[in-house]
Amino acid sequence: GAVVSQHPSWVICKSGTSVKIECRSLDFQATTMFWYRQFPKQSLMLMATSNEGSKATYEQGVEKDKFLINHASLTLSTLTVTSAHPEDSSFYICSARGGLAVDTQYFGPGTRLTVL
Amino acid sequence: RKEVEQDPGPFNVPEGATVAFNCTYSNSASQSFFWYRQDCRKEPKLLMSVYSSGNEDGRFTAQLNRASQYISLLIRDSKLSDSATYLCVVNTEDSSYKLIFGSGTRLLVRP
Repeated sequence: GAVVSQHPSWVICKSGTSVKIECRSLDFQATTMFWYRQFPKQSLMLMATSNEGSKATYEQGVEKDKFLINHASLTLSTLTVTSAHPEDSSFYICSARGGLAVDTQYFGPGTRLTVL
Repeated sequence: RKEVEQDPGPFNVPEGATVAFNCTYSNSASQSFFWYRQDCRKEPKLLMSVYSSGNEDGRFTAQLNRASQYISLLIRDSKLSDSATYLCVVNTEDSSYKLIFGSGTRLLVRP
């Protein structure tokens, strides 16, 4: 149980395009979903917290107009990187909290974004 | 000062060795503590939660010292498959359930 999927697992795009990443909780309803970014040899950095049906809460320094988050249902959150640039190339990981273990975050497998 | 600090390593140990990782956190109000394992290019996976009384799961033992704001992980009888990056993780003290990750300690277990 408590499986979280992400799609796509990797994506390569041209500079200036937008990329949408999906995060789904497959067997539980996610009260909250979190989006992280990880650059090489660095730790996961929380970008935003997303609750179903409400606006996401962004961490300091994360541009909400560039990283659009939609959490339309209890099992799906999407992150759209708008007008992507090479410096946005990173490993994007989502996690979901919900089900019986309220303190536990279940992580998706991540999406590797490369912007050319 | 980073909120969660770890020695980046790498720790290079032979199979069968015992290895210990340390971590310090800055927020004394933090309530929950974890060790995660992350393999290269993969997502982090929960290894174990850390409780005030200390806890053990097979070859892994975790300790928490709230007074010193210090967390440790001990791995006994290291296996080749233990090679990974170990992330010390602390929650925020509010109700948001946000996790703060350390930068990780890399472990290499050699034959």
